[in-house]
Amino acid sequence: SQKIEQNSEALNIQEGKTATLTCNYTNYSPAYLQWYRQDPGRGPVFLLLIRENEKEKRKERLKVTFDTTLKQSLFHITASQPADSATYLCALMDSSYKLIFGSGTRLLVRP
Amino acid sequence: DTAVSQTPKYLVTQMGNDKSIKCEQNLGHDTMYWYKQDSKKFLKIMFSYNNKELIINETVPNRFSPKSPDKAHLNLHINSLELGDSAVYFCASSQGAAGGTEAFFGQGTRLTVV
Repeated sequence: SQKIEQNSEALNIQEGKTATLTCNYTNYSPAYLQWYRQDPGRGPVFLLLIRENEKEKRKERLKVTFDTTLKQSLFHITASQPADSATYLCALMDSSYKLIFGSGTRLLVRP
Repeated sequence: DTAVSQTPKYLVTQMGNDKSIKCEQNLGHDTMYWYKQDSKKFLKIMFSYNNKELIINETVPNRFSPKSPDKAHLNLHINSLELGDSAVYFCASSQGAAGGTEAFFGQGTRLTVV
């Protein structure tokens, strides 16, 4: 069956460290993979999109990698800050043009 | 200006009632969506419209009926509400196929059925 899996356990890190979140998918062949941030009581907000022919994408303190062989994307936040605390969702488009989301990983950055 | 706006933000209603949630986007996008986020925070697509035409209709009870009067609006009407319909409903829009462009989400409508 098709699945997008993110670590359901919260990631708890110290301010200033690098946070690394994982997104694994099964039985999809996405041309794109996206990452979103969701704060409590708010809608998801787009962060980054990476294409299948791109290995890595950066935006300020954010970095995304996309390994189509491993069927995995890693999302990194360097020099993390308490304001980075949120739930991070990965999403991909399936063959029916539906944007499918993972269940998200909650990140908590301690001051 | 809010890019994707939904009303109401909160909706509490009794079982068996009929209710509507409205969504408007001012981004000029041609594709709009409805997602449901349950208590486990899992975000699941329900419907997608492209230029007022339904293109995605997931396995959703037919008590849920989307309506798109124009490209900028996508409303969700729910008949005979049930307890299990309680969730947060998000409207979203994008330009073109969702995978290749970012989706913009509204702030969500928290529906509670009592």
